[in-house]
Amino acid sequence: DAKTTQPNSMESNEEEPVHLPCNHSTISGTDYIHWYRQLPSQGPEYVIHGLTSNVNNRMASLAIAEDRKSSTLILHRATLRDAAVYYCIPSTDSWGKLQFGAGTQVVVTP
Amino acid sequence: DGGITQSPKYLFRKEGQNVTLSCEQNLNHDAMYWYRQDPGQGLRLIYYSQIVNDFQKGDIAEGYSVSREKKESFPLTVTSAQKNPTAFYLCASRPPGSTDTQYFGPGTRLTVL
Repeated sequence: DAKTTQPNSMESNEEEPVHLPCNHSTISGTDYIHWYRQLPSQGPEYVIHGLTSNVNNRMASLAIAEDRKSSTLILHRATLRDAAVYYCIPSTDSWGKLQFGAGTQVVVTP
Repeated sequence: DGGITQSPKYLFRKEGQNVTLSCEQNLNHDAMYWYRQDPGQGLRLIYYSQIVNDFQKGDIAEGYSVSREKKESFPLTVTSAQKNPTAFYLCASRPPGSTDTQYFGPGTRLTVL
């Protein structure tokens, strides 16, 4: 499994963008890059995933480096509800298993 | 509403007792998973099941057991052999053909006294 490196925590002001980096230099060519987030005392929630191209959905955007060794999750306008731990997970396991690291704690201040 | 339910949300047990955590889904998903989460850490995989009557050990299966008699249900038993059972337990399921996207339940917080 590919190893990931994420900052322990990041702070943002409300309504400003948040850029969450993830390094995954050992990623294999078939690994998708998944992002999940976990609000306090809740189960994780799928955010977005991609393979090579940048991806957008209603929650966030995912920018993937050309060499695929890093990616950035972009929350365009942070709200207080976006305060959570964000996990970056490269995965291509045929059983669908996900390896969660410690993630990045995002703090949003009003 | 479709989704994954886990009950109860909080569970207390005495040391040495077995306890079974419930996980039910009405999403018609084949694959189901159990994870454990300790404070300040990420999730670790306990067991997973791809189809009914089949399941595999994850990274930390010792002291746990599961069954998968129905597609909708994947109960987890925490046995007395689990040395440190106090944790937050999360169940998930995955739709067929998805690229690993999993849907999680709300979790059960188990405290062993």
